[in-house]
Amino acid sequence: SQTIHQWPATLVQPVGSPLSLECTVEGTSNPNLYWYRQAAGRGLQLLFYSVGIGQISSEVPQNLSASRPQDRQFILSSKKLLLSDSGFYLCAWSVRRDYGYTFGSGTRLTVV
Amino acid sequence: KQEVTQIPAALSVPEGENLVLNCSFTDSAIYNLQWFRQDPGKGLTSLLLIQSSQREQTSGRLNASLDKSSGRSTLYIAASQPGDSATYLCAANTNAGKSTFGDGTTLTVKP
Repeated sequence: SQTIHQWPATLVQPVGSPLSLECTVEGTSNPNLYWYRQAAGRGLQLLFYSVGIGQISSEVPQNLSASRPQDRQFILSSKKLLLSDSGFYLCAWSVRRDYGYTFGSGTRLTVV
Repeated sequence: KQEVTQIPAALSVPEGENLVLNCSFTDSAIYNLQWFRQDPGKGLTSLLLIQSSQREQTSGRLNASLDKSSGRSTLYIAASQPGDSATYLCAANTNAGKSTFGDGTTLTVKP
């Protein structure tokens, strides 16, 4: 069966520090991968999506970047965090559009 | 640009009630619509996925309907239980693989 792993669950980082959040998928090949951010009490904002290794599309200009070094690995990064980067980050994958999306458990990032 | 609205933003009901959550979308050219449940501080759990050619989907006490022409979907929960308390989000998915999420309805079921 397919599973998605996202870590860490929580993270507290100082302003100006780097960031690396990792997401991996098991049990499937060539998935579409997504990074979303969720503000408190709000819906999800798509940050990046990838349809293949090295293929990254950015939806919103950010202080963030994404990379896909392997087929089932998706990484969200920042060189210098801002206070406004605080939020709940969710990774998701889909195989075919008919099947919808499956989400990871999320990372709560607090920039202090 | 697709916009998805969920009304109400919050709902509190006594245990045992049947209830309906609403999701409306402005662009009817969707491929499918997906309902999720989110517990506090957790990720999203998929509940039901309705393809654009379908009218409804059922899973246990949950029934989701889709009316593309009117831009509406509803999630019906029968015989609500305290364990149903969570935030429910809908997502309208397009052919291009893009999704627009609503802000969710936070449901509280009181024992």
